[in-house]
Amino acid sequence: AQSVSQHNHHVILSEAASLELGCNYSYGGTVNLFWYVQYPGQHLQLLLKYFSGDPLVKGIKGFEAEFIKSKFSFNLRKPSVQWSDTAEYFCAVETSGTYKYIFGTGTRLKVLA
Amino acid sequence: ETGVTQTPRHLVMGMTNKKSLKCEQHLGHNAMYWYKQSAKKPLELMFVYSLEERVENNSVPSRFSPECPNSSHLFLHLHTLQPEDSALYLCASSQWRGDVNTQYFGPGTRLTVL
Repeated sequence: AQSVSQHNHHVILSEAASLELGCNYSYGGTVNLFWYVQYPGQHLQLLLKYFSGDPLVKGIKGFEAEFIKSKFSFNLRKPSVQWSDTAEYFCAVETSGTYKYIFGTGTRLKVLA
Repeated sequence: ETGVTQTPRHLVMGMTNKKSLKCEQHLGHNAMYWYKQSAKKPLELMFVYSLEERVENNSVPSRFSPECPNSSHLFLHLHTLQPEDSALYLCASSQWRGDVNTQYFGPGTRLTVL
């Protein structure tokens, strides 16, 4: 069965530190990839997405992610985090051409001021 | 501000009650979804409606009954729930165009079953 793994369940960083959150999936076919963020008390918001083309995609709020097909990975990065980045981050994979998202379990990020 | 709204935001119900969750999307999308978000578990897809027809029922117990009267509204009717059904229920919508399907989520309904 298809699955999405987010190995870091909790991450604590100081402001200005660099961030990388891992996301790996198990599916050999064409996929669409997403990162969503859920700020405390708010709804899931789309950070960025990859469908095709340049494997390095840029999203909102300075986030970027790189699709490495050979590693089945789509890691999320930000060079310098801010206190306001404290949130839960979800990776999702859609088998291209379907409507089914498979979500990871999420990573809770806490940024210390 | 999200283009997907959900009501109520919080709901407490007993196991013998009947209640309904409502979702409305203002994005002109043609597909709508119900998800269940429980602590320490991935979001679980429950139901999918495309062009008002159910295209997915992901082995959800019959005590959950969806309804999609038109492309903008989606309901989840609840009856004789169990305490383990307590969770955050999320609605999402997308414009399903074959290879592109970006889902937009509502704020969710926090359900507590006593």
